[in-house]
Amino acid sequence: NAGVMQNPRHLVRRRGQEARLRCSPMKGHSHVYWYRQLPEEGLKFMVYLQKENIIDESGMPKERFSAEFPKEGPSILRIQQVVRGDSAAYFCASSPSDSRGQFFGPGTRLTVL
Amino acid sequence: RKEVEQDPGPFNVPEGATVAFNCTYSNSASQSFFWYRQDCRKEPKLLMSVYSSGNEDGRFTAQLNRASQYISLLIRDSKLSDSATYLCVVSGIGGGADGLTFGKGTHLIIQP
Repeated sequence: NAGVMQNPRHLVRRRGQEARLRCSPMKGHSHVYWYRQLPEEGLKFMVYLQKENIIDESGMPKERFSAEFPKEGPSILRIQQVVRGDSAAYFCASSPSDSRGQFFGPGTRLTVL
Repeated sequence: RKEVEQDPGPFNVPEGATVAFNCTYSNSASQSFFWYRQDCRKEPKLLMSVYSSGNEDGRFTAQLNRASQYISLLIRDSKLSDSATYLCVVSGIGGGADGLTFGKGTHLIIQP
């Protein structure tokens, strides 16, 4: 059973470009979560999604950030007009509907030049 | 006050020793509790859930004190491979009902 998959593992963007981060949850998991880890900081919750629905986006910045989890395909975290402060590791986690433990993907390390 | 607070360490411990970490959380409505470990530049990995009755998994023992809002992790007979950052994690606060709230972690170094 493959774990949570994220791609790309490393992403370099210039200021003002768009970043798209993809996450495929573990097989059988219908809940997806996105977290951000800034250098020397703890992980911060961003958004929680189920298929085609955003359940909780209380941790998402109000502008430039969006997330989706379509019926088919991976969950996408999209960052428009990136700035240097967006440089961080972005982790996706998934859980089955009846579990409280979340399992994390390897992360995408975004560097904004 | 931080939502989940941990001593950042580092804890330098000789191989074979017993080491304990503590963590406090601010919201008494928190529902679920976990310890994760994170190796350098890797993703967090679930170590164990924490239950009010206390629970053990091999060399690892976790305790929860709801009255004091305090969580602990004990590692017995420590191995070199236990070197990592240990993250105290709480759900039901901060990031929505199901998002996890992470402490910044306690850095453990096991020395040969």
